[in-house]
Amino acid sequence: AQSVTQPDIHITVSEGASLELRCNYSYGATPYLFWYVQSPGQGLQLLLKYFSGDTLVQGIKGFEAEFKRSQSSFNLRKPSVHWSDAAEYFCAVVLTNDYKLSFGAGTTVTVRA
Amino acid sequence: DTGVSQNPRHKITKRGQNVTFRCDPISEHNRLYWYRQTLGQGPEFLTYFQNEAQLEKSRLLSDRFSAERPKGSFSTLEIQRTEQGDSAMYLCASSGPRTPRDQYFGPGTRLLVL
Repeated sequence: AQSVTQPDIHITVSEGASLELRCNYSYGATPYLFWYVQSPGQGLQLLLKYFSGDTLVQGIKGFEAEFKRSQSSFNLRKPSVHWSDAAEYFCAVVLTNDYKLSFGAGTTVTVRA
Repeated sequence: DTGVSQNPRHKITKRGQNVTFRCDPISEHNRLYWYRQTLGQGPEFLTYFQNEAQLEKSRLLSDRFSAERPKGSFSTLEIQRTEQGDSAMYLCASSGPRTPRDQYFGPGTRLLVL
């Protein structure tokens, strides 16, 4: 079945430490890939996207993501987290012949001082 | 660019009542999407418009749900005869003609059906 999987429901990280959030997808062809962040009481904000080309993409707020076709993965990373990065993060895909987003279940990130 | 706005932000209603939500997209965006998000889950697609045409509806969208975008600008989502299972966050997003897959989300309308 077609799906987007975020294996980690909750991650706790110390401020200043690195962060990596995992995302795997299961589709016949490589879809367009996205990461969104949702802070409490707010809508989703687009962090970055991958359509084609360089497999390492840079986004806003110091985030980057790496596409690995062999692993059907699109993991999100940040070298040094700030307390303001505490939020819920969603990986999402759009099929190449479509426009609607399909989301993973999300990963909640807690940042401890 | 004022972003996507949604009204109301919160709605509490009794089971069986009708509710209507409004979404105002970014002004030059021609595509408008509705999603539903329940606690602990990612958003799920409900429907989307290109200009005033409703191009796709999810099977999640029962007959009690109807969406319109009469002049290709704002959109409304109406739920008739609400049920407790309709309690969720309803999110609206829009995208423009140059980057149609980059969706920008509003803050959402949180619905609680008692």
